[in-house]
Amino acid sequence: LAKTTQPISMDSYEGQEVNITCSHNNIATNDYITWYQQFPSQGPRFIIQGYKTKVTNEVASLFIPADRKSSTLSLPRVSLSDTAVYYCLVGPGGNFNKFYFGSGTKLNVKP
Amino acid sequence: DAGVIQSPRHEVTEMGQEVTLRCKPISGHNSLFWYRQTMMRGLELLIYFNNNVPIDDSGMPEDRFSAKMPNASFSTLKIQPSEPRDSAVYFCASRPPRVPSGNTIYFGEGSWLTVV
Repeated sequence: LAKTTQPISMDSYEGQEVNITCSHNNIATNDYITWYQQFPSQGPRFIIQGYKTKVTNEVASLFIPADRKSSTLSLPRVSLSDTAVYYCLVGPGGNFNKFYFGSGTKLNVKP
Repeated sequence: DAGVIQSPRHEVTEMGQEVTLRCKPISGHNSLFWYRQTMMRGLELLIYFNNNVPIDDSGMPEDRFSAKMPNASFSTLKIQPSEPRDSAVYFCASRPPRVPSGNTIYFGEGSWLTVV
């Protein structure tokens, strides 16, 4: 499984765009990139997933360069409620894959 | 649609006692995962099942830990005997069959265990 590296923490202010980058130099051809969000006292929840280029949903955008060795989660106009830990996962799809969560990035949104 | 249901939500027990955590996955999901989360070690994958069969239990810390999945709608994680270092939040998660789920898994609210 590809190892991922993320910043331990980030600070932002309400209304700003936040970009969290994850490095995954050893990503394999059949690996997907998936991001999860975890609020205090809750389990992680899926935010977005991509394989290459750009993916956008109602919550975030995911940018993946051509070499796929990194990815950037973009949260537009964050609010206080976006304060959470964000995890980047890399792994193949399929029924028998494991999901390993690294340390994640603790995003602190200030008023 | 009900999410992953875990019980108990909170448990305080004395060292040496047996602890049983329960999980009901989302209906139709065929993979189930048990995680443990602590401040020091983060989220650790303990074991996962596919179609009720344990696929990989290499994350189970010791023989004191055991997990079962007798049917598609129920799983247990048992700690016997419990120790203070087992204090953590234990999450259960489930995953639907591959198409079109990709790498999405759904977590329960967690079981907060304190061993004194």
